[in-house]
Amino acid sequence: AQSVTQLDSHVSVSEGTPVLLRCNYSSSYSPSLFWYVQHPNKGLQLLLKYTSAATLVKGINGFEAEFKKSETSFHLTKPSAHMSDAAEYFCVVKKDGGFKTIFGAGTRLFVKA
Amino acid sequence: NAGVTQTPKFQVLKTGQSMTLQCAQDMNHNSMYWYRQDPGMGLRLIYYSASEGTTDKGEVPNGYNVSRLNKREFSLRLESAAPSQTSVYFCASSSSDSGANVLTFGAGSRLTVL
Repeated sequence: AQSVTQLDSHVSVSEGTPVLLRCNYSSSYSPSLFWYVQHPNKGLQLLLKYTSAATLVKGINGFEAEFKKSETSFHLTKPSAHMSDAAEYFCVVKKDGGFKTIFGAGTRLFVKA
Repeated sequence: NAGVTQTPKFQVLKTGQSMTLQCAQDMNHNSMYWYRQDPGMGLRLIYYSASEGTTDKGEVPNGYNVSRLNKREFSLRLESAAPSQTSVYFCASSSSDSGANVLTFGAGSRLTVL
């Protein structure tokens, strides 16, 4: 069975400091993994995806994530936070074929000036 | 290029009333989805349609029905609304249901059931 755990419900950083949003997954096969971002009162937008190619995935707006099979993790990072990064972030695992998409509970990122 | 369009954006219902949420996409996607978002629970799949003419239940289908009217449109109906259905509803589409395909989301519909 698949599952996704986002280890922090809230993360607060200062502008210009690094961002780390943690995600662990459970899957009995090689999944596809995604990070989506949701700004207030908006729909979700894809940040990046992993589909068994390079383990370090680069996304939009300077975000990247590293797939670590041994740790079953897919943490999202950014070297320097910007005020516009304040949003909710969702880690997602999907099995190839079918509708089985599992969303994490979300991590709300706060960025302080 | 509108992407995924949902209507209405906001709706307030009384318990027992019915309503339909409309969704249309202009990206020629085969697969369409309805999710609900509740605080602390991420998004949960209500129904999905892999292609025109097919629909399948997701994680939380009870109290809902769907219609894939054509390739562009996928509606979600609440026949007898309950307070537990107060939520934000998102429609999404993808080119297919394969694992690598990205979901494109609408802006959401906020439903309150009194």
